[in-house]
Amino acid sequence: EVQLVESGGDLVQPGGSLRLSCAASGFTFSSYWMTWVRQAPGKGLEWVANINQDGSEKYYVDSVTGRFTISRDNAKNSLYLQMNSLRAEDTAVYYCATLSMWGQGTMVTVSS
Amino acid sequence: SYELTQPPSVSVSPGQTARITCSGDALPKQYAYWYQQKSGQAPVLVIYEDSKRPSGIPERFSGSSSGTMATLTISGAQVEDEADYYCYSTDYNGNHWVFGGGTKLTVL
Repeated sequence: EVQLVESGGDLVQPGGSLRLSCAASGFTFSSYWMTWVRQAPGKGLEWVANINQDGSEKYYVDSVTGRFTISRDNAKNSLYLQMNSLRAEDTAVYYCATLSMWGQGTMVTVSS
Repeated sequence: SYELTQPPSVSVSPGQTARITCSGDALPKQYAYWYQQKSGQAPVLVIYEDSKRPSGIPERFSGSSSGTMATLTISGAQVEDEADYYCYSTDYNGNHWVFGGGTKLTVL
């Protein structure tokens, strides 16, 4: 069974940091571009970042460039998102995804 | 930054055809993908590469693209098709992806 399971979401203060993880199973993780997508409460989907199969290409939405870092460990079938200098507007459910497969998401709340 | 534009809402009666549009300048060059999201759930891919339907998606879902507009068509919409629908594509360079603002489909 194909699965993507996110973890690491939490309540964090503005300016703080958080690292999200995504564990993949049931497919050949190393063959896929991977993506982080977020959805603020009551809002639409927003593409955050993606990474190619070997981690040599990474792209980010402008609003997180310089603050977030996407990475992967193909030996561990895992995707990561390091989030620094967090802001209230980063509050959202964060999904790990390929074009056809999505996890259930992990909630990040940035508030004092 | 690149944008995709969708109507905020579409409403049809059960059995009617629902059409949801998505406009973007790079769509003549880049594929469109469509996702269905029901309340409290993760999105589900219903159309990929403009017009292909993943296995398990009902035949009533179809997609097309012409010029700067992609269209998701639900022929004979059912009450269970009520959801938010998002188009998804990338800019000219293929590096930065974007979702449309989403369209709330009401079937009643």
